[in-house]
Amino acid sequence: DADVTQTPRNRITKTGKRIMLECSQTKGHDRMYWYRQDPGLGLRLIYYSFDVKDINKGEISDGYSVSRQAQAKFSLSLESAIPNQTALYFCATSDLTGKGTDTQYFGPGTRLTVL
Amino acid sequence: TQLLEQSPQFLSIQEGENLTVYCNSSSVFSSLQWYRQEPGEGPVLLVTVVTGGEVKKLKRLTFQFGDARKDSSLHITAAQTGDTGLYLCAGARDGTASKLTFGTGTRLQVTL
Repeated sequence: DADVTQTPRNRITKTGKRIMLECSQTKGHDRMYWYRQDPGLGLRLIYYSFDVKDINKGEISDGYSVSRQAQAKFSLSLESAIPNQTALYFCATSDLTGKGTDTQYFGPGTRLTVL
Repeated sequence: TQLLEQSPQFLSIQEGENLTVYCNSSSVFSSLQWYRQEPGEGPVLLVTVVTGGEVKKLKRLTFQFGDARKDSSLHITAAQTGDTGLYLCAGARDGTASKLTFGTGTRLQVTL
């Protein structure tokens, strides 16, 4: 079984609809992240959470919100989807190791299309 | 604002050729990571470099962190079809590499 899972894997929705993307992990990591990927732009950080009570905005948080329901679950919501939110969305987890730098583990991604 | 620019954006080569991918920035990073992403999957970490001038080798892949910690390169020797994918560099300004700024990506296609 995959350590980081995302649901749904694909979603097509209409402008103005509320959408929730879910992420679950079995790695036992405290830190979780949401990114979006657009062609030619790499990955950009939307929100991140270093533990259940810690939520932080990333580079492009406008139009998005998150909820950290448990250590293992981190969901991303689009309250009113718009076409320029069409992208590939990735969840990632990490845990600070004794070596000093994080390794981030990514889920398989959710392809979201907003019509 | 994209802080990490990768070049080239696309690269199509034949098996056995050598190639170099560059990751450049005007900002200083405390560490830099390289990831490879295959279609339908998330990025997978290849290496982390943390010291200016550091060189790390992973089989046929050689990674270098610039002396000023503003740039990095990835060199692949004798490319194989299995090297095909999207290569992403990612820089961190904090010491733990928890918050990453990703590069624009280099898509590599290796053919027989």
